[in-house]
Amino acid sequence: GENVEQHPSTLSVQEGDSAVIKCTYSDSASNYFPWYKQELGKRPQLIIDIRSNVGEKKDQRIAVTLNKTAKHFSLHITETQPEDSAVYFCAASKAYNTDKLIFGTGTRLQVFP
Amino acid sequence: EPEVTQTPSHQVTQMGQEVILRCVPISNHLYFYWYRQILGQKVEFLVSFYNNEISEKSEIFDDQFSVERPDGSNFTLKIRSTKLEDSAMYFCASSGQEQYFGPGTRLTVT
Repeated sequence: GENVEQHPSTLSVQEGDSAVIKCTYSDSASNYFPWYKQELGKRPQLIIDIRSNVGEKKDQRIAVTLNKTAKHFSLHITETQPEDSAVYFCAASKAYNTDKLIFGTGTRLQVFP
Repeated sequence: EPEVTQTPSHQVTQMGQEVILRCVPISNHLYFYWYRQILGQKVEFLVSFYNNEISEKSEIFDDQFSVERPDGSNFTLKIRSTKLEDSAMYFCASSGQEQYFGPGTRLTVT
């Protein structure tokens, strides 16, 4: 069945360091890969996404890379700040606006000042 | 900026009772979804809805669950006879250029 694996489950970094979260998906028909940030008790909020015709996308301190052959995609956060502390979920979908999202298990990121 | 809204924010119910969770998707969106998140776990897909019918449902979405779009704005999730294991945060989402999530309804079944 459709599955998304995510690692690590927790990640602690010092402010200013980089953080990398990795995901692997199983359904080769997936072509849309969003990343959501979820603060405690709040809704998931989209922070960046990538579609399968692109290998890398960057938005300020956040970047996502996609390797469709290996079915891997990763989130990179540079110059981390305490306000980056949250749970991050990757997801995969067959269509960005018409198909369900299959979520990874989440990564709790803690950024220490 | 338009938002998905959900009511109530928190619902406490007794086992065996029926609950209805309500959502107002973003007005020009056509695809609607319900997800649930058990405390401390990942977000799980329940059901998607398009053109006034279910387009896909997960194994979680059994006969106890139903969805409805009773009018032009609301989108509801009904759980007919709640179980303890239905306790979770339920998120509604609608999609345009991306999926926008509502703030969630925390359902507590006692």
